[in-house]
Amino acid sequence: AQSVTQLDSHVSVSEGTPVLLRCNYSSSYSPSLFWYVQHPNKGLQLLLKYTSAATLVKGINGFEAEFKKSETSFHLTKPSAHMSDAAEYFCVVSGNTGNQFYFGTGTSLTVIP
Amino acid sequence: DSGVTQTPKHLITATGQRVTLRCSPRSGDLSVYWYQQSLDQGLQFLIQYYNGEERAKGNILERFSAQQFPDLHSELNLSSLELGDSALYFCASSVDLGVTDTQYFGPGTRLTVL
Repeated sequence: AQSVTQLDSHVSVSEGTPVLLRCNYSSSYSPSLFWYVQHPNKGLQLLLKYTSAATLVKGINGFEAEFKKSETSFHLTKPSAHMSDAAEYFCVVSGNTGNQFYFGTGTSLTVIP
Repeated sequence: DSGVTQTPKHLITATGQRVTLRCSPRSGDLSVYWYQQSLDQGLQFLIQYYNGEERAKGNILERFSAQQFPDLHSELNLSSLELGDSALYFCASSVDLGVTDTQYFGPGTRLTVL
């Protein structure tokens, strides 16, 4: 069975400092992994995805994530936080048939001016 | 703007009633997915359709049903509504069925059951 654990429900950073949102996954096969962002009262937007190519994945808005199979992790990082990054972030693993997405519980990112 | 549209944006109804949520996928996308987001359950996959056929079921209640029409739009029907059905319902679409296919999400329909 597939599952995703987001290790922090809330993360608070100062503007201009690095962001780290942690995600561990459990899967019985080689998964596809995604990070989505949800701004207040908006739908979800894809930040980046890992699909068994390069383990370091670059996404939009300066975000990137590294797939580490040995640690079953897919942490999301950004070198310098911007006020507009304040949102809810979801780590997602796809099902083995590709028909289902399994969402983590989300990490709420606050950016302090 | 993802290109996925959902109507209505907000829906307020009473327990025991039935409602229909509508989703239009991005142009060219054949797969449509429905999700429920609530405070206590988080984001849950409900059901997926591909080119008019049901392809996968998640945590969808028997009181809920969906269909995808020949023009590829989809409807999610919720009946015998309960207070606990209050949630944000998202539709997403993707080009195909592949494990790497990106899902594009609509803005959601907020359902309030009183």
